[in-house]
Amino acid sequence: GENVEQHPSTLSVQEGDSAVIKCTYSDSASNYFPWYKQELGKGPQLIIDIRSNVGEKKDQRIAVTLNKTAKHFSLHITETQPEDSAVYFCAASRYSSASKIIFGSGTRLSIRP
Amino acid sequence: KAGVTQTPRYLIKTRGQQVTLSCSPISGHRSVSWYQQTPGQGLQFLFEYFSETQRNKGNFPGRFSGRQFSNSRSEMNVSTLELGDSALYLCASSLTGISYEQYFGPGTRLTVT
Repeated sequence: GENVEQHPSTLSVQEGDSAVIKCTYSDSASNYFPWYKQELGKGPQLIIDIRSNVGEKKDQRIAVTLNKTAKHFSLHITETQPEDSAVYFCAASRYSSASKIIFGSGTRLSIRP
Repeated sequence: KAGVTQTPRYLIKTRGQQVTLSCSPISGHRSVSWYQQTPGQGLQFLFEYFSETQRNKGNFPGRFSGRQFSNSRSEMNVSTLELGDSALYLCASSLTGISYEQYFGPGTRLTVT
């Protein structure tokens, strides 16, 4: 079946440094790629998304890049802060097919003070 | 605007029992999707309801069922509980049912003993 691979599973970075999380997907028809942040005791929160007609999107300290040819997409967090500590999930879907969204396995990001 | 609410937040049941979980979407949202989150399997899609109709169903046994009411509130039911049903059950709402821009609730933590 279709799947999304996410790496690394855990990531520890010094406060102020950058963090990068990478995902690959198998369904070449995927055209919507959201990223979610899940804090302890909470549900996933959509933090940024990208659609297949865009190669890069930025929102303050967060950016996402997409390479459709290689079926890769990545999340970049710059100038990390303690509140960035959480589990991050990537996902891929065809937005014309509601709810057929496949999630990555998650990356636990820890920010060291 | 109030977010997605789920009740109860925590639940402990015994094998063989049944359970009903409730989800109230964001006001005006007509689509509700349910997901199961476990450490081993990650986030897995259960089903999606839009305007009281089930539009998509994931790969779960028939013991898992759901429904949506005219006010868009949704319930999911799990009958004949098994130990493996222990998980965080997440509900997400969206305006139109397209898989992007989903807003998740905090989840219901179900423990089956």
